[in-house]
Amino acid sequence: KQEVTQIPAALSVPEGENLVLNCSFTDSAIYNLQWFRQDPGKGLTSLLLIQSSQREQTSGRLNASLDKSSGRSTLYIAASQPGDSATYLCAVQGGTNAGKSTFGDGTTLTVKP
Amino acid sequence: NAGVTQTPKFQVLKTGQSMTLQCAQDMNHEYMSWYRQDPGMGLRLIHYSVGAGITDQGEVPNGYNVSRSTTEDFPLRLLSAAPSQTSVYFCASSLTGAEKLFFGSGTQLSVL
Repeated sequence: KQEVTQIPAALSVPEGENLVLNCSFTDSAIYNLQWFRQDPGKGLTSLLLIQSSQREQTSGRLNASLDKSSGRSTLYIAASQPGDSATYLCAVQGGTNAGKSTFGDGTTLTVKP
Repeated sequence: NAGVTQTPKFQVLKTGQSMTLQCAQDMNHEYMSWYRQDPGMGLRLIHYSVGAGITDQGEVPNGYNVSRSTTEDFPLRLLSAAPSQTSVYFCASSLTGAEKLFFGSGTQLSVL
């Protein structure tokens, strides 16, 4: 059974700081990995998707990397802003559960002005 | 372009009542799924579908039924609501199941 772990559970940083969120998974036979953002009381918005054959994806101030062999992914946020405050979740698709996504519990980020 | 639409946004039920949560997408996605999100337990997959007429169980399917008669719609039925089903429910879709997932805005369900 695929298990996804996100560390830390919560993170508070001052505005302008660069930060890294971590995601690890137990079954390396995945199709892809996605990073999502969730604001309080809202649905999830996909930020970046990395296919299993890729090493990283970038969108603006966000960069996500994937090391499938070690079962790890990181989300790097550059020059953090208060508007980045949200919960960030990672999810893997495939592996032994083809067609299903398994989510981590998320990291709640607070960026202080 | 509406994306993934869920109704209702809020619902209160009494134990034993039945209801259907609606989910519709207008992106011609083959893959649709239902999740529940509970504090401290993250998002858990209830049921999913890889196309019209095809459904399968996820991690926590007990107490829920689904059907997929059209590509656009994937309703989730609670047959006899229980307090343990109090949660926030999300519907999600993607083109074939291995691409970007699009989520609805969620349904907050309370079972008294």
